[in-house]
Amino acid sequence: AQSVSQHNHHVILSEAASLELGCNYSYGGTVNLFWYVQYPGQHLQLLLKYFSGDPLVKGIKGFEAEFIKSKFSFNLRKPSVQWSDTAEYFCAVNSGGSNYKLTFGKGTLLTVNP
Amino acid sequence: DGGITQSPKYLFRKEGQNVTLSCEQNLNHDAMYWYRQDPGQGLRLIYYSQIVNDFQKGDIAEGYSVSREKKESFPLTVTSAQKNPTAFYLCASSIVQGVSYNEQFFGPGTRLTVL
Repeated sequence: AQSVSQHNHHVILSEAASLELGCNYSYGGTVNLFWYVQYPGQHLQLLLKYFSGDPLVKGIKGFEAEFIKSKFSFNLRKPSVQWSDTAEYFCAVNSGGSNYKLTFGKGTLLTVNP
Repeated sequence: DGGITQSPKYLFRKEGQNVTLSCEQNLNHDAMYWYRQDPGQGLRLIYYSQIVNDFQKGDIAEGYSVSREKKESFPLTVTSAQKNPTAFYLCASSIVQGVSYNEQFFGPGTRLTVL
């Protein structure tokens, strides 16, 4: 069965620091990859996604992620975080051939101190 | 506004009672999903439905039941058989387009507390 690992449970940064959140998945075939964000008190929303093509994908609010197939990874990055980036971030994977199932990682809580 | 509505936002029930969580969408999506979110556990799929009058179990369906009588609605019943029902429940929907994966959109969630 597909599994998704997020390496950090809680990350604490100061404003303007750079961010990288790790995500690894287990399935070796075709995958669709996602990062979702859950701001305090708000809906879970899509930050960015990778289906095919350029492995470096850009999302909303200055976030980007790089798909490295050989490492089964899809790490999320942002060069300079803001206090408003404080949220919980979830990596999710859809395995090829399944048009419904999203497998989520356990989430990383990001706290950005002003 | 198009979107997904879940009600109520907070729900309290006594142990041993069944409780039904509402999910409605006006996005004209064919597929709907229920997830459970626990602290430090991410989201886990309970049930999903790709078409009216049809639904399938997800990874943690035991103790839950659903119905899909209308395209817009996908209520979830948490039964007394669910051993640990206190959690945050999220509903989602998506279009269904061939065999390709399609992005899921999420509702605001219902926080259920069983006393």
